[in-house]
Amino acid sequence: DAGVTQSPTHLIKTRGQQVTLRCSPKSGHDTVSWYQQALGQGPQFIFQYYEEEERQRGNFPDRFSGHQFPNYSSELNVNALLLGDSALYLCASSPGTSLGNTQYFGPGTRLTVL
Amino acid sequence: GESVGLHLPTLSVQEGDNSIINCAYSNSASDYFIWYKQESGKGPQFIIDIRSNMDKRQGQRVTVLLNKTVKHLSLQIAATQPGDSAVYFCAGYEEYSTLTFGKGTMLLVSP
Repeated sequence: DAGVTQSPTHLIKTRGQQVTLRCSPKSGHDTVSWYQQALGQGPQFIFQYYEEEERQRGNFPDRFSGHQFPNYSSELNVNALLLGDSALYLCASSPGTSLGNTQYFGPGTRLTVL
Repeated sequence: GESVGLHLPTLSVQEGDNSIINCAYSNSASDYFIWYKQESGKGPQFIIDIRSNMDKRQGQRVTVLLNKTVKHLSLQIAATQPGDSAVYFCAGYEEYSTLTFGKGTMLLVSP
């Protein structure tokens, strides 16, 4: 059983560019959450997708947007990249949005903005 | 909202010792917490969770204690092994299954 997968593994962009990160959830999971993890910090919640809609959003600007496809996979888009967007971006999946549905994380995409 | 923090940034132990990692929280929408282990270059890995109707839960070599009165939880790892070296996060569930993480404690296990 493949767990949560993310692509690409690493990415280097320059300020002002746009980036798209991808996530495939664990088999049987229909909910995808995205987190940003700066170096030396814990992950911070960006948003959550369920039934192809954004259900919850953390304290991130509109430059951060996402999408969920009918097969439950998801994309995270970041526009007008800033140096401060450099981080590990983590995708987590769970079987539904109910409180207590354990979230399983992928390996992350390391984004470097120069 | 939820605020989760850890007492120590780094914990160094000898192989075979028991490790205790602590976590304090201020507010909780759910009193439901998860401990994650994150190895270098990897995503967080689920270790064990505990819900508000419990004060102790045991897994394989791990025990989590929850004290809702003082808003504190701890992760105990028995017979710590070099493979346990990682950063450990406690995370609290907000509403709608979103997680709030603390900064993490790095556990270093020396032979």
